[in-house]
Amino acid sequence: KNEVEQSPQNLTAQEGEFITINCSYSVGISALHWLQQHPGGGIVSLFMLSSGKKKHGRLIATINIQEKHSSLHITASHPRDSAVYICAVRGTYKYIFGTGTRLKVLA
Amino acid sequence: DSGVTQTPKHLITATGQRVTLRCSPRSGDLSVYWYQQSLDQGLQFLIQYYNGEERAKGNILERFSAQQFPDLHSELNLSSLELGDSALYFCASSVGQDGYTFGSGTRLTVV
Repeated sequence: KNEVEQSPQNLTAQEGEFITINCSYSVGISALHWLQQHPGGGIVSLFMLSSGKKKHGRLIATINIQEKHSSLHITASHPRDSAVYICAVRGTYKYIFGTGTRLKVLA
Repeated sequence: DSGVTQTPKHLITATGQRVTLRCSPRSGDLSVYWYQQSLDQGLQFLIQYYNGEERAKGNILERFSAQQFPDLHSELNLSSLELGDSALYFCASSVGQDGYTFGSGTRLTVV
């Protein structure tokens, strides 16, 4: 079993839909990172969380340390949100990545 | 432009060779991170430097080494290259826990 599990692996949505991507982990962490990788390969850091909730524009990330779970929400999704979303956890001296969620938003 | 500069963008080399990948962090960022992304392994953390010193080490092979120089740029050296080392190598920099920025990556092809 992977130490970081993301679900779903693939997601297709219609423009305007509310989207949730989940990340569960089984190791102790100091922080959790959400990344977005565009079809061209570039990676953008969306959020780094150690507790609670963060919001930036239409994106919201939450983390529940006790349940070892984080969610990334996208409100009013748009085709430009189409990308791979990657969850990564930071332990004391290591980082572990999930395998990513491939999101496609249709116009 | 993210502010993190990686060179070269593309590199094709033969098995057994040695290459050096370079990363210039965003101005003011003291931490530099190296990652490898291959088709079969996904993203993997290799190593982190903070202000010239190694801070954390991940799945970095013994054939690979890195360093961060006084001007804070970093180099990742890959030697005795194998076909399986073909991947995208990303560098990222940060100051503290936020402001984490990735470079555009170096695509290494070993033939």
